[in-house]
Amino acid sequence: GESVGLHLPTLSVQEGDNSIINCAYSNSASDYFIWYKQESGKGPQFIIDIRSNMDKRQGQRVTVLLNKTVKHLSLQIAATQPGDSAVYFCAENDSGGSNYKLTFGKGTLLTVNP
Amino acid sequence: KAGVTQTPRYLIKTRGQQVTLSCSPISGHRSVSWYQQTPGQGLQFLFEYFSETQRNKGNFPGRFSGRQFSNSRSEMNVSTLELGDSALYLCASSFSAGNYGYTFGSGTRLTVV
Repeated sequence: GESVGLHLPTLSVQEGDNSIINCAYSNSASDYFIWYKQESGKGPQFIIDIRSNMDKRQGQRVTVLLNKTVKHLSLQIAATQPGDSAVYFCAENDSGGSNYKLTFGKGTLLTVNP
Repeated sequence: KAGVTQTPRYLIKTRGQQVTLSCSPISGHRSVSWYQQTPGQGLQFLFEYFSETQRNKGNFPGRFSGRQFSNSRSEMNVSTLELGDSALYLCASSFSAGNYGYTFGSGTRLTVV
């Protein structure tokens, strides 16, 4: 059912460290996943996506890992910088279900300490 | 290439009023989705439009409606505003939704007093 209120997980890291943000998704039929970064006062910004026929995808300083067996997604940020401080959301989509919507996780607040 | 443009950025309305929000998608994108973001519920799907047709609607009351024009621009309307409608309303455009990337606008911050 719907949660009454959100308890936002937080992750605090030192500048230069690697960060790992985790996400459990709910729909086993989901086949497309996106990570977004949202800074205060802004809309979600696309970071990286992955389709279900892949286990891993790399971008610039970011890597997404997908484990379909346990319905788990992770975002790894290398050499975290203060500008990476934001809320990070995972989103899933069942493109075969023709529902044309993203279902978002609750988000994780990443704080990078200089 | 211009991004997703939402207007206005901020809006203050009184309970009982109605409001119309606008979204201009990225050129060439034909899918426009709307989401409501609140601290309590996070990001919740409102509806999605493609080629002027609503293809999916989220679990929101009938006071929330939308439409899409032939140039893919979209509007959403909320009638009889309630305090609980205060939120950040986000628009996302995509080439065709499904398994293509979605690009979000900066949102419209609606405050109902």
